[in-house]
Amino acid sequence: EAGVTQFPSHSVIEKGQTVTLRCDPISGHDNLYWYRRVMGKEIKFLLHFVKESKQDESGMPNNRFLAERTGGTYSTLKVQPAELEDSGVYFCASSHRASSSYNEQFFGPGTRLTVL
Amino acid sequence: AQSVTQLDSQVPVFEEAPVELRCNYSSSVSVYLFWYVQYPNQGLQLLLKYLSGSTLVKGINGFEAEFNKSQTSFHLRKPSVHISDTAEYFCASMDTGRRALTFGSGTRLQVQP
Repeated sequence: EAGVTQFPSHSVIEKGQTVTLRCDPISGHDNLYWYRRVMGKEIKFLLHFVKESKQDESGMPNNRFLAERTGGTYSTLKVQPAELEDSGVYFCASSHRASSSYNEQFFGPGTRLTVL
Repeated sequence: AQSVTQLDSQVPVFEEAPVELRCNYSSSVSVYLFWYVQYPNQGLQLLLKYLSGSTLVKGINGFEAEFNKSQTSFHLRKPSVHISDTAEYFCASMDTGRRALTFGSGTRLQVQP
């Protein structure tokens, strides 16, 4: 079974440009999460999808970030326009089903974003 | 609000020596606790978790952790490390009513021959 995949693995862009990150969760996983690690600090939660709906977007830093999950499969995270402080590693994770009990989150390898 | 503190950013240790990576958490509600490991160029992998029950939790690769509610700690231990244990380790918590993980800043374990 394929794990969580993320594309691209690295992205280098200029300040003010737009970047779109993609995450493909494990097949059949209803829950999808985005996290971000900025410059060696802690990994921080951005948002959580249940299928195509945003369940919790309390961690989104500002309106330059737009996450979508059309059809409840893969997800994209767009940053527009990118700022220097957006540099970091963006992780995606998925877990099995929407339920009240704990489900393990499986992480992708991350996308390293550098904004110059 | 939850927070997780990993006091040691780097821990150098010799091969076959014991190691303890420290983690303290704070939360006003019940939490689950986790340790994740990240090897170079890979995603985070779950080492072990505490949900309820026995406070001593055993994980993969010979690691274990003990939940101590009075000290709000969840330290990770291994009695004898290998070179292959060199990685970054993250402690995390989850409010039992939510799905978001709250991570510490990570500890780099460097196992030397």
